[in-house]
Amino acid sequence: DAKTTQPTSMDCAEGRAANLPCNHSTISGNEYVYWYRQIHSQGPQYIIHGLKNNETNEMASLIITEDRKSSTLILPHATLRDTAVYYCIARGFNDYKLSFGAGTTVTVRA
Amino acid sequence: EAQVTQNPRYLITVTGKKLTVTCSQNMNHEYMSWYRQDPGLGLRQIYYSMNVEVTDKGDVPEGYKVSRKEKRNFPLILESPSPNQTSLYFCASTPAGTSGRFEQYFGPGTRLTVT
Repeated sequence: DAKTTQPTSMDCAEGRAANLPCNHSTISGNEYVYWYRQIHSQGPQYIIHGLKNNETNEMASLIITEDRKSSTLILPHATLRDTAVYYCIARGFNDYKLSFGAGTTVTVRA
Repeated sequence: EAQVTQNPRYLITVTGKKLTVTCSQNMNHEYMSWYRQDPGLGLRQIYYSMNVEVTDKGDVPEGYKVSRKEKRNFPLILESPSPNQTSLYFCASTPAGTSGRFEQYFGPGTRLTVT
C-alpha cells in the first residue's frame, strides 16, 4: 500500500468547515483512498472512500486531486463530537487489510 | 442492531496463561480481522479471514492463533501470553463488496494487560 502523510494535529472551530489534508504521492492506479476516524479509544469508523472522483456522503466530502497524489477530507460543519483521530489510508483493490498510520488528531473547539 | 461484539472488554492476566478473546458479528460479513493498537504504532493487523475455514497472517501474527469455524465468529487465541502482548485489540468485519468499498465495522475493543 502507498504511504500516506498527514499533519499530526489540527484545531477547528465548532460550526466551521474542517479541511484535513493527506499526501499519497506514491499511490498506484488500483489503490483507493479511505478515511476512517477513531473517537477516543473506540473502534475506528468508516467515513468515506474514493478512487479518482470527488465523493460526498452524509458525513463528509472527499476531494482528490487530478494527479491523485493528495486528497482532502472536508467536514462541512464541525461539531464537538467530531473531535477524533482521522486516518487517511491507501488500499489496493484486493488487499484484505487497512494500514493505519498515526493519523491527524482533530480537536474541535467551542 | 448490526454490530461486532468482543468479549471480554477488559482482561488482566499473567504470563503464560492461555486466553481467548471472542469476536462475533451479526451482519453475515465474509471478511473478519483482528488488529492490535499500541501507542505510536497505529493499528496493526494480526490475522484475517476471508471466509469460513480460510484464514491468513497479517503483519504481526506471532504469538496468536485464530479459527473461523462459523461465519459469525472469529476468536483470537493467545496460547502463552507475554507482557509484550499487552495492547488494545480490535476485531473488525467487512462485507464482500464491489466498487472498491471496503468498509470495516469495528468492535468496541478489548484492553488486555499481561503481567
